[in-house]
Amino acid sequence: DAGVIQSPRHEVTEMGQEVTLRCKPISGHDYLFWYRQTMMRGLELLIYFNNNVPIDDSGMPEDRFSAKMPNASFSTLKIQPSEPRDSAVYFCASSDDRTGANVLTFGAGSRLTVL
Amino acid sequence: SQQGEEDPQALSIQEGENATMNCSYKTSINNLQWYRQNSGRGLVHLILIRSNEREKHSGRLRVTLDTSKKSSSLLITASRAADTASYFCATDDLETSYDKVIFGPGTSLSVIP
Repeated sequence: DAGVIQSPRHEVTEMGQEVTLRCKPISGHDYLFWYRQTMMRGLELLIYFNNNVPIDDSGMPEDRFSAKMPNASFSTLKIQPSEPRDSAVYFCASSDDRTGANVLTFGAGSRLTVL
Repeated sequence: SQQGEEDPQALSIQEGENATMNCSYKTSINNLQWYRQNSGRGLVHLILIRSNEREKHSGRLRVTLDTSKKSSSLLITASRAADTASYFCATDDLETSYDKVIFGPGTSLSVIP
């Protein structure tokens, strides 16, 4: 398996533009997590899905952020409109809990810069 | 949201020395995990310890868990320059949802050759 695949790896955009980040989880994993990492706030859990259903989106900063998982092999995180404070590295991670714990496999991240 | 604190925030040691990092958390948990992050990369899972375990070993890694104190420690023995990275603890959260995974702020480890 190629692991968790995220795109784009880097995105530079201007304030007000729409940003879409994409994630392909590991085949067979039924959990998908979106995190945001900044120096100031560390790794924040934004939202996670189980079997394509959003379970907890309490970490989503505000209505400008939305996430979808239309099928087991694809998820998107959308920011509209983007703001400079959204600049961060966004990570997607997937897992299964067959061992009774969610051991996460992370993607390489999408570095977002909003000017 | 973040689970708790990690201590120290940064640690610098000589190659061959042992490195100890501590993690505290706030809620009741089923398990605690440690991850490593090399600069510019995603996190990589190192080891998992369950709430009914007190100590676990994996190669040069030793993890302890004290649920009464809501704390864990990660010991890396005989450190190498390649161990230079940030280390994060992560827990589930029985008080909200058992399958959520929340990370601490991390410890930045520098191993000097």
